[in-house]
Amino acid sequence: QSVLTQPPSASGTPGQRVTISCSGSSSNIGSNTVNWYQQLPGTAPKLLIYSNDQRPSGVPDRFSGSKSGTSASLAISGLQSEDEADYYCAAWDGSLNVYVFGTGTRVTVL
Amino acid sequence: QVHLVESGGGVVQPGRSLRLSCAASGFTFSSYALHWVRQAPGKGLEWVAVISYDGSNKFYADSVRGRFTISRDTSKNTLYLQMNSLRAEDTAVYYCARSPTNSGPDYWGQGTLVTVSS
Repeated sequence: QSVLTQPPSASGTPGQRVTISCSGSSSNIGSNTVNWYQQLPGTAPKLLIYSNDQRPSGVPDRFSGSKSGTSASLAISGLQSEDEADYYCAAWDGSLNVYVFGTGTRVTVL
Repeated sequence: QVHLVESGGGVVQPGRSLRLSCAASGFTFSSYALHWVRQAPGKGLEWVAVISYDGSNKFYADSVRGRFTISRDTSKNTLYLQMNSLRAEDTAVYYCARSPTNSGPDYWGQGTLVTVSS
């Protein structure tokens, strides 16, 4: 099954800005909206960004999403220790009729 | 508020069957698509299946198609996953999740662990 490609890890010091990329194809990111999920250790995933760049109520505005062509990005500005988690992008693949997740990125706060 | 509570996980031998349930509350069950997503120990998220708001459309990952069946019972506000011919590689935490129209999952349950082992 197709997957969306993310870097395995990213890191930064408190207060820094960290960006996570998500690369897909024309059948998924290129033609459908992207969601981002945060998964803290030992917990269920939580919706962080939906429809490419929208934040659900309660998500700090330090988190922002964008999409261009067949790629998407998640940015965390003003990095905080509680942001240490795994982050996944996801999108529907209209050619395969499956929902695909990214490979995941572990963010470490140094 | 939205609640999704999975149950039915446990230890099962290879080749056997198991049925997972996901009890939903706090929203209009019949208005949302529902997904199953799994996560093997130490691994990333893997989408398993989705059922449309009215149950008329179902889609599956290649890895489970023909072995797993997703279904829903609106009278009980419950989502199901019937898992047959289980394999060791099906060992994972299984999450149910809700999807608004034309969007990916927003709310997730806490997950239930399925271990396939002899």
